[in-house]
Amino acid sequence: QKEVEQNSGPLSVPEGAIASLNCTYSDRGSQSFFWYRQYSGKSPELIMSIYSNGDKEDGRFTAQLNKASQYVSLLIRDSQPSDSATYLCAVRSGGYNKLIFGAGTRLAVHP
Amino acid sequence: EAQVTQNPRYLITVTGKKLTVTCSQNMNHEYMSWYRQDPGLGLRQIYYSMNVEVTDKGDVPEGYKVSRKEKRNFPLILESPSPNQTSLYFCASSRGGSLESYEQYFGPGTRLTVT
Repeated sequence: QKEVEQNSGPLSVPEGAIASLNCTYSDRGSQSFFWYRQYSGKSPELIMSIYSNGDKEDGRFTAQLNKASQYVSLLIRDSQPSDSATYLCAVRSGGYNKLIFGAGTRLAVHP
Repeated sequence: EAQVTQNPRYLITVTGKKLTVTCSQNMNHEYMSWYRQDPGLGLRQIYYSMNVEVTDKGDVPEGYKVSRKEKRNFPLILESPSPNQTSLYFCASSRGGSLESYEQYFGPGTRLTVT
């Protein structure tokens, strides 16, 4: 069974700090990696995607991928209370459109 | 507005009473999927569809059926619902093709309670 693992948290950071969210995956053949943000009771919202080793930056968000270590992370700079949510790591595994999701990390940003 | 819609948003039903949750997307996406989300278990894929009349099982297909007769619609059918199917259900779609095209966009969710 292909797996995606995340620390469930909660990860608590002060406003303005950097939040670091981590994810490991088991399928070495995975090629596409995604981070979704989900507010309580709402649907997941895509915030970052990454396909090659290294860093990808978009505003306050940076995704990092290391395929050799089977590790993907999300950094949120200048964290705001509005960033408080559950962050889901998803990995595209196998053919077609099969996404495997981690159980999510709950982030709490306190003023 | 590009979106995925689901209906109903909330549903309370009784064991054994057949129900259908509809899903529709207006983005001309090839791929559509159904997920269920349960506390501590995260999102699990039920079924997915690569195109019209092409569907395949996800990780938790037991007790569910799907059909894809039109590109925009992908209904989820529970022929005989049971209490263990009480969950939050999401439909999602993506363009497919290149790597970037597998980014999935989710509907608002359907909260189902089976008593």
